[in-house]
Amino acid sequence: KAGVTQTPRYLIKTRGQQVTLSCSPISGHRSVSWYQQTPGQGLQFLFEYFSETQRNKGNFPGRFSGRQFSNSRSEMNVSTLELGDSALYLCASSSHNFGQGGSGELFFGEGSRLTVL
Amino acid sequence: KQEVTQIPAALSVPEGENLVLNCSFTDSAIYNLQWFRQDPGKGLTSLLLIQSSQREQTSGRLNASLDKSSGRSTLYIAASQPGDSATYLCAVVSGYALNFGKGTSLLVTP
Repeated sequence: KAGVTQTPRYLIKTRGQQVTLSCSPISGHRSVSWYQQTPGQGLQFLFEYFSETQRNKGNFPGRFSGRQFSNSRSEMNVSTLELGDSALYLCASSSHNFGQGGSGELFFGEGSRLTVL
Repeated sequence: KQEVTQIPAALSVPEGENLVLNCSFTDSAIYNLQWFRQDPGKGLTSLLLIQSSQREQTSGRLNASLDKSSGRSTLYIAASQPGDSATYLCAVVSGYALNFGKGTSLLVTP
């Protein structure tokens, strides 16, 4: 069974540009959640999608957005990049959405490492 | 807002030792708690998932316990090996969000 696939693995952008990251969940999983990991702040929750609907969003500015397609694949977009957006972006898939009582085990991808110059 | 704290932040032990990693959380109304390991530059690997109705889970040399009332979980690693060297993170699902601790960086020396 294939795991969670994130693309691209590495990318370099300059300030002001935008970026789109992709996440393909484990087959059959309908929940995809996104996280930003930095040395200073650790892992922070960005948002979660379940059945194409955003269920919850973390405390990030509106420049961070996402969507989920009917096949459960998800994309996140960051517009007007800032230096502080440099981070490892991780996505996770699960069979249950958060808050569905006894949410399922989370499986993470290898991440997309974004460097903003 | 759920706050998750992990102590210690770093730990170095000789091979063969048994060790305990701690995770505490401020809001006991959780759905579940999950322990992960992360190797440098990699994603997270799930180790153990404990549902809110459970007290512990075991997998091989790993045992995780959960005490919701006191807001604590421990990860016990038996007979540590150099391959166990990694950062260990706990994550708590409560409400509609997942909150992580900042992790314990473990080094097991031969």
